[in-house]
Amino acid sequence: NAGVMQNPRHLVRRRGQEARLRCSPVKGHSHVYWYRQLPEEGLKFMVYLQKENIIDESGMPKERFSAEFPKEGPSILRIQQVVRGDSAAYFCASSPGTAGVRYEQYFGPGTRLTVT
Amino acid sequence: QQPVQSPQAVILREGEDAVINCSSSKALYSVHWYRQKHGEAPVFLMILLKGGEQKGHEKISASFNEKKQQSSLYLTASQLSYSGTYFCGTEGGNDYKLSFGAGTTVTVRA
Repeated sequence: NAGVMQNPRHLVRRRGQEARLRCSPVKGHSHVYWYRQLPEEGLKFMVYLQKENIIDESGMPKERFSAEFPKEGPSILRIQQVVRGDSAAYFCASSPGTAGVRYEQYFGPGTRLTVT
Repeated sequence: QQPVQSPQAVILREGEDAVINCSSSKALYSVHWYRQKHGEAPVFLMILLKGGEQKGHEKISASFNEKKQQSSLYLTASQLSYSGTYFCGTEGGNDYKLSFGAGTTVTVRA
């Protein structure tokens, strides 16, 4: 079984460009979470999505960041007009089930974004 | 709100034991434990649910004190492969999301 897939694994963007991060959850999982991790720090929740719905985006900056999980295709985290402070590892996780976090989350390998 | 983990770091020799603690200031429904090796994705270890249900790794044990809003992860007879950063994630019941602690770095030496 394929696990959570994220691409690209490494992404370099110049200040002001857009970054698009993709996440394909485990087959059959309909819950996707995005986290940001700065070096030597913990995981910070950004957004929780189900198919075609944003359930909780309380951890996402109100400007420049957006996320979607369409009916078909991967979940996308989009960062517009990137700044150096956006440099971090972005992890996607998926879970089965219909009741939030009573189930383990399966993490993808992450996308390491570097803004120059 | 982010749970507090202690200690921040621990160094062990193979075969030694360690305890990692995770405390929250709010009532918890579940506690999740993950281990992350440098440059890799976090890997699921265990979930502890309010009411006593557990599921997870065979060789790692944990406890969940609901009244004190605390969880502890026990590393017994540590092996070199136990090295990594351990994170607890807590969920308050209506959040449907995890708040992760800052992590505890475990180094196991031969």
